[in-house]
Amino acid sequence: NAGVTQTPKFQVLKTGQSMTLQCAQDMNHNSMYWYRQDPGMGLRLIYYSASEGTTDKGEVPNGYNVSRLNKREFSLRLESAAPSQTSVYFCASSEAHGTGYGYTFGSGTRLTVV
Amino acid sequence: SQQGEEDPQALSIQEGENATMNCSYKTSINNLQWYRQNSGRGLVHLILIRSNEREKHSGRLRVTLDTSKKSSSLLITASRAADTASYFCATDGNQFYFGTGTSLTVIP
Repeated sequence: NAGVTQTPKFQVLKTGQSMTLQCAQDMNHNSMYWYRQDPGMGLRLIYYSASEGTTDKGEVPNGYNVSRLNKREFSLRLESAAPSQTSVYFCASSEAHGTGYGYTFGSGTRLTVV
Repeated sequence: SQQGEEDPQALSIQEGENATMNCSYKTSINNLQWYRQNSGRGLVHLILIRSNEREKHSGRLRVTLDTSKKSSSLLITASRAADTASYFCATDGNQFYFGTGTSLTVIP
């Protein structure tokens, strides 16, 4: 029972490089989320997918794109990385979108942009 | 912002003592959740309390919700060293908003 799996766990990028963070869940959840966690800022929602085939912006979407590849997978892409995107990125899933459901989080991707 | 704010930012107690953390928020909510995050790990869902509930228990955890004061508290009784972690409240809107967390250290 893997839950939510994120890859890679660590990544260092140079400014301007691109990369895709991968996320997969095996709980048959309908909704998936990408958060970033910065010191003193808590977790902030980047994008979410309420159901397969839909994606919506969260609180801090600028500089990111997402793809809900299928029900299991939700990827986050940085097209041109900036030092301000240095952060820890978490993927999460829930049974359905809505505030009555708890989230299951992955273990995170620690990204450094130099 | 609807973001919840936890208080205190950091808490250090002896093993066996109780730990209380508070969360305040700004707008009306439907639900509030508490999560735990161990160092270097993802968040783990602890408990959800709905706006029409005042208190909820789960093992050594007790959560209260006072919608008139827009606040919630998380009580961990008989704390253990393994409870050392950061604790976050998450309040709802059209999405969940997480606070900045309370860092709890339980000294053996």
